[in-house]
Amino acid sequence: AQSVTQPDIHITVSEGASLELRCNYSYGATPYLFWYVQSPGQGLQLLLKYFSGDTLVQGIKGFEAEFKRSQSSFNLRKPSVHWSDAAEYFCAVGDGGYNKLIFGAGTRLAVHP
Amino acid sequence: GAVVSQHPSRVICKSGTSVKIECRSLDFQATTMFWYRQFPKQSLMLMATSNEGSKATYEQGVEKDKFLINHASLTLSTLTVTSAHPEDSSFYICSVRPNTEAFFGQGTRLTVV
Repeated sequence: AQSVTQPDIHITVSEGASLELRCNYSYGATPYLFWYVQSPGQGLQLLLKYFSGDTLVQGIKGFEAEFKRSQSSFNLRKPSVHWSDAAEYFCAVGDGGYNKLIFGAGTRLAVHP
Repeated sequence: GAVVSQHPSRVICKSGTSVKIECRSLDFQATTMFWYRQFPKQSLMLMATSNEGSKATYEQGVEKDKFLINHASLTLSTLTVTSAHPEDSSFYICSVRPNTEAFFGQGTRLTVV
């Protein structure tokens, strides 16, 4: 079955600290992987995506993610978190076509000053 | 990327009435659009896939007679929640996927009182 697991429902970090949000997927075909961020009451903004090639991908706002096929993981990282990064983060997987995405449950990030 | 506009952003309706949500693809002709539903502090769950000129494809457990989808043109899909009840209160988001990347509307917060 196709699924995305985000083990951490809620994470709190101090401003300036590093961040890693975990994502594991189960997908029968070649996965296309995404990380989205959602601010309260808003739609989703794409942070980064992985289709092929270099397994370390860079995104917007200083985020990066690493694809590890052997671990079926696509963890999101940021070396130094800013207070404005507080939001909900969703990992998603899809195919290489035009079909639906499957989302993880999300991780809510809180940032302490 | 594609620009997706949803209207209204917020709506409050009385129990038993119907409410229509519009999703417009402003710069892309979308033969397919996706409707997601998001309960508070939960992930996005796909409700249905809207197909231009044909019937929508509903996910298991979604009542097609309650959530009417019309995709009459390549730039507009509508979701009508019929005979709304308080349990239908949720955040509804539409999406298009013109290539491997998905783009989302800003969402519609529906509150049924």
